[in-house]
Amino acid sequence: EVQLVESGGGLVQPGGSLRLSCAGSGFTFSTSEMSWVRQAPGKGLEWVSYISSGGSSKKYADSVTGRFTISRDNAKNSLYLQMDSLRAEDTAVYYCAREMTGTSGDAFDIWGQGTLVTVSS
Amino acid sequence: DIQMTQSPSSVSASVGDRVTITCRASQGLSSWLAWYQQKPGKAPKLLIYGASILQSGVPSRFSGSGSGTVFTLTISSLQPEDFATYYCQQSNSFPFTFGPGTKVDIK
Repeated sequence: EVQLVESGGGLVQPGGSLRLSCAGSGFTFSTSEMSWVRQAPGKGLEWVSYISSGGSSKKYADSVTGRFTISRDNAKNSLYLQMDSLRAEDTAVYYCAREMTGTSGDAFDIWGQGTLVTVSS
Repeated sequence: DIQMTQSPSSVSASVGDRVTITCRASQGLSSWLAWYQQKPGKAPKLLIYGASILQSGVPSRFSGSGSGTVFTLTISSLQPEDFATYYCQQSNSFPFTFGPGTKVDIK
């Protein structure tokens, strides 16, 4: 079964840190480009970060640049998001997503179930 | 950054209705546009990519069209399972951006 499973969410105080993990299975993780997408309660979707299949290229939304770090371990079929200096506005469900790439267009075709991060004192 | 807008923000429709949602980009995307469906408490589901290519397993009542800056998602005959929120998303350039969403609910 093709799936992504996130873990690591929880309650953290403002200024704190959290590390999210995403485990992939049922597809070739090592050749897949991956992203994190978040959704604040009752709000729309926001792309957060991207990493290339080999990990050499990384991109971030302005809202998290300098605070979040994306990484991956292809030997473990795992994607990570290290979140530091967390703010209340980072409260959201965080999804990992596989980017389907091709000449016809890119899109997120596989999504995890999401993990909730709550930043509050 | 490329800004995405959607209209309408919500639509009330009945089973069997034809529903059209419009997505506009602040810059040309060629065909680097995808559509997603999201139901409450669930992850988004890919419907359309490349502006008009139906993702495998998605019913043929869903269709996408457009290029450049204006795109549409059409549901030809609304079914009970289609009541959800729909998002467009551009993958032309980083940062990837989503539209604000269109909620389709029961009339």
